[in-house]
Amino acid sequence: IQLTQSPSSLSASVGDRVTITCRASQDIRSFLAWYQQKPGKAPKLLIYTASALQSGVPSRFSGSGSGTEFTLTISSLQPEDFASYYCQQVNSYSFGQGTKLEIK
Amino acid sequence: EVQLVESGGGLVQPGGSLRLSCAASGFTFRSYWMGWVRQPPGKGLEWVGNIKRDGSDKYYGDSVKGRFSISRDNAKNSLYLQLNSLRAEDTAVYYCARIQTHDAFDIWGQGTLVTVSS
Repeated sequence: IQLTQSPSSLSASVGDRVTITCRASQDIRSFLAWYQQKPGKAPKLLIYTASALQSGVPSRFSGSGSGTEFTLTISSLQPEDFASYYCQQVNSYSFGQGTKLEIK
Repeated sequence: EVQLVESGGGLVQPGGSLRLSCAASGFTFRSYWMGWVRQPPGKGLEWVGNIKRDGSDKYYGDSVKGRFSISRDNAKNSLYLQLNSLRAEDTAVYYCARIQTHDAFDIWGQGTLVTVSS
């Protein structure tokens, strides 16, 4: 199962609402997770089962979707949110190619 | 504190072998599936493989199948990754990670760098 994220990179400003999309090559129901990774650091789990917020993750992060199309939304960007984001299909464990979120 | 700490990375020649270790603390290690993920320099994440709680089942990504082997020692709270027949394209930071009930990787180590070069 292939996962395709869009966009590959994104420039945004503090306070913006941002949406990242992850499309699966076949139906994966809700078996999708989202991670944040900052340079030189390990990934951090944000969302599991497509929409469940991991404990300790700020509520400005949300996930939605099922089947083949999923989205990660950050409602109001904070300075610490500029990072790379990856989706992962948790049946075959494959990752999307990543989205780099940069400051405009 | 829940923690995973990898070790064992380094420089190895093509065709060589290396064994990575991951020490777990702060949680009941034997109760969790565990996995390995790698990241080549400047590139994205790639799943390497997973191992069941008791070590009886193991699954691997296509690019490492037949060359890499995952094992664990629940008495020592430790996870291992044996890397054989190494290639330049295996150069990456290798992370160990805990797998939560819903199959996502919820706890990650800091990573250990493996460089395959002559």
